[in-house]
Amino acid sequence: EDQVTQSPEALRLQEGESSSLNCSYTVSGLRGLFWYRQDPGKGPEFLFTLYSAGEEKEKERLKATLTKKESFLHITAPKPEDSATYLCAVALNSGYSTLTFGKGTMLLVSP
Amino acid sequence: DTAVSQTPKYLVTQMGNDKSIKCEQNLGHDTMYWYKQDSKKFLKIMFSYNNKELIINETVPNRFSPKSPDKAHLNLHINSLELGDSAVYFCASSRLAGVRSYEQYFGPGTRLTVT
Repeated sequence: EDQVTQSPEALRLQEGESSSLNCSYTVSGLRGLFWYRQDPGKGPEFLFTLYSAGEEKEKERLKATLTKKESFLHITAPKPEDSATYLCAVALNSGYSTLTFGKGTMLLVSP
Repeated sequence: DTAVSQTPKYLVTQMGNDKSIKCEQNLGHDTMYWYKQDSKKFLKIMFSYNNKELIINETVPNRFSPKSPDKAHLNLHINSLELGDSAVYFCASSRLAGVRSYEQYFGPGTRLTVT
C-alpha cells in the first residue's frame, strides 16, 4: 500500500534555530512530491513541487530536496511566522491528479 | 480576490439532517476536489471533478453527493448526517493537465460539527 510518513509529528524551535522536516514515501511510480503549509483554521497553501531525485527548490527560508525514498524541508533561521503545519503529498503515475497526503509536521517557532 | 472560496465556514447541525457546502474557484481551473480532514488532521481525497464530470470517487458513503453545475463550482451535499461526519471539508482546484496539474489550491475549509 502506498504510504507517506512525516516526521517528527511536532517540532519546536527557537527563532534562528535551523532544522529539517522529513517526508518518506513508499509508493510505486512517483509522479511528483509536494509540500504544503497549513495555518490553523485555513486551507493548505502550496509551497513546492519536486519531480525527480536530486531536485531542489527554495523559497525564502525554506528549501525542499528529494531523494528516491524521501524529501526534506529545510528551514534556515526560522522566524515565528514560519509556525504552521507542513504537509507532504505524493502524486502517483497511475490515475488522475490525486494527492496522497502525510499527516503533517506541526512546527512552532518561538521568539 | 479569493481564489477558492467555500460557504459556510462553520456548520453545526444535528444527526439525521441534510446539509450542503458550496465551493467556487475563480482561477480558471478545470479540475475541482473535495477533501476531508479529520480530527487527527489527516487530509484525504473524497471526490474529483474534471470539467463537470466525476472522475474520482473514493470510498465515501452514498450519503455524500457532489454536484458540479459548471467548472467553477463544486458543491457537496450530505444526507442523513452522522456524528462521524464531523470534520473539516476542503475544496480544491487545479489545472487539467501538464506539469502543474498536481498543484492544487485549497479553499479555507468548512468545519462541520454534527451533534
